[in-house]
Amino acid sequence: AQKVTQAQTEISVVEKEDVTLDCVYETRDTTYYLFWYKQPPSGELVFLIRRNSFDEQNEISGRYSWNFQKSTSSFNFTITASQVVDSAVYFCALTPPGANNLFFGTGTRLTVIP
Amino acid sequence: GAVVSQHPSRVICKSGTSVKIECRSLDFQATTMFWYRQFPKQSLMLMATSNEGSKATYEQGVEKDKFLINHASLTLSTLTVTSAHPEDSSFYICSARGTGWSPLHFGNGTRLTVT
Repeated sequence: AQKVTQAQTEISVVEKEDVTLDCVYETRDTTYYLFWYKQPPSGELVFLIRRNSFDEQNEISGRYSWNFQKSTSSFNFTITASQVVDSAVYFCALTPPGANNLFFGTGTRLTVIP
Repeated sequence: GAVVSQHPSRVICKSGTSVKIECRSLDFQATTMFWYRQFPKQSLMLMATSNEGSKATYEQGVEKDKFLINHASLTLSTLTVTSAHPEDSSFYICSARGTGWSPLHFGNGTRLTVT
């Protein structure tokens, strides 16, 4: 069975602070993909990153960085120097091999206070 | 990049009427499309998987006679909420995938309000 846990329901930070969103997953598959999506107040889902389970290299994209640790089944997302526009709900998700849909975590609502 | 268009973005209807939501893949062929539902401040719940030219596969607990899904072409899937009731009010999002392990591309969602 697949399960994605985002224990942080809501986080508030002051602008320019760094913030880390946690994601822990469960799967018996050895191959899988992990994702992060952003859902701004307007509702659409914005794809941020996809990570193959074989690739544990951390990734940085601008102010965003991701820390994938297979040993702890975690795929955490850090926003550096947060901005008000980062305010959104962030979803971590998992796709096992052979499946097409995503298993979503419950999301973390991030509020960046100016 | 791949784009998925979902229409309408908002709809308000009266109880008992039916509402159709369209999901189109604009620049790729989507053999599979997915329909999700999101209640306020909750995660996305998969409702059904729609395969082009065949019947949709519904998740447990989703009424297939109430949520009619048609995937008539490789670029269009529709979700019809039949005889809508206030409890059907929700945010509905479609997604589509091309070939291989490309990421799911999501539509902008449809906020349905049933009065």
